[in-house]
Amino acid sequence: SYELTQPLSLSVALGQTAKISCAGDNIVTKNVHWYQQKPGQAPVVVIYRDTTRPSGIPERFSGSNSGNTATLTISRAQAGDEGDYYCQVWDSTTVIFGGGTKLTVL
Amino acid sequence: EVQLVESGGGLIQPGGSLRLSCAASGFTLSSTYMTWVRQPPGKGLQWVSFMYSGGNTYYTDSVRGRFTLSRDTSSNTLYLQMNTLRAEDTAVYYCARVLGTPGNAFDIWGQGTMVTVSS
Repeated sequence: SYELTQPLSLSVALGQTAKISCAGDNIVTKNVHWYQQKPGQAPVVVIYRDTTRPSGIPERFSGSNSGNTATLTISRAQAGDEGDYYCQVWDSTTVIFGGGTKLTVL
Repeated sequence: EVQLVESGGGLIQPGGSLRLSCAASGFTLSSTYMTWVRQPPGKGLQWVSFMYSGGNTYYTDSVRGRFTLSRDTSSNTLYLQMNTLRAEDTAVYYCARVLGTPGNAFDIWGQGTMVTVSS
């Protein structure tokens, strides 16, 4: 079965750029979606179909997908960006989530 | 306002049954693809099941044969019938809407309902 691998945690200094990776076999052939989840809340989609940002999501959030790795980039990181981030793809009639990355803004 | 509200969670003994509800407002379930995602305490997101707008349903391997997804068009409500529950089914269960067609992201999520399977 298809698997997605994310780093467990990532720290970024306030105002700097965070890059969260999501590795999967030839992931470039799939549409990758990214969710942000804060404690006690439901996930929120921040990037879908690799690079599209939903309305209401700051331009500081961007996505890319190449080869075996998709990346969520958060520019000028703010304290409010702290939380867990999950990548997600569809594999035929199955939905796959990455294990999640806990982002800490220092 | 587009919204999903889950209910029906609670404490249930192993082997028991529970039915979760997901009431939709602001859009019509029968013309939408819907999914259930769960999150065990302190762990990541796990996909459980989804339903095509035409009614076809799909399940993750660990719940197939035990869980059944259905909907009531008159009340615009999605249901997840969970039978033969196990301790490993303990989780917050979210229903979510697929943005457009399968292959897309889940754009609207409910607040979640907690299911605890324990004796």
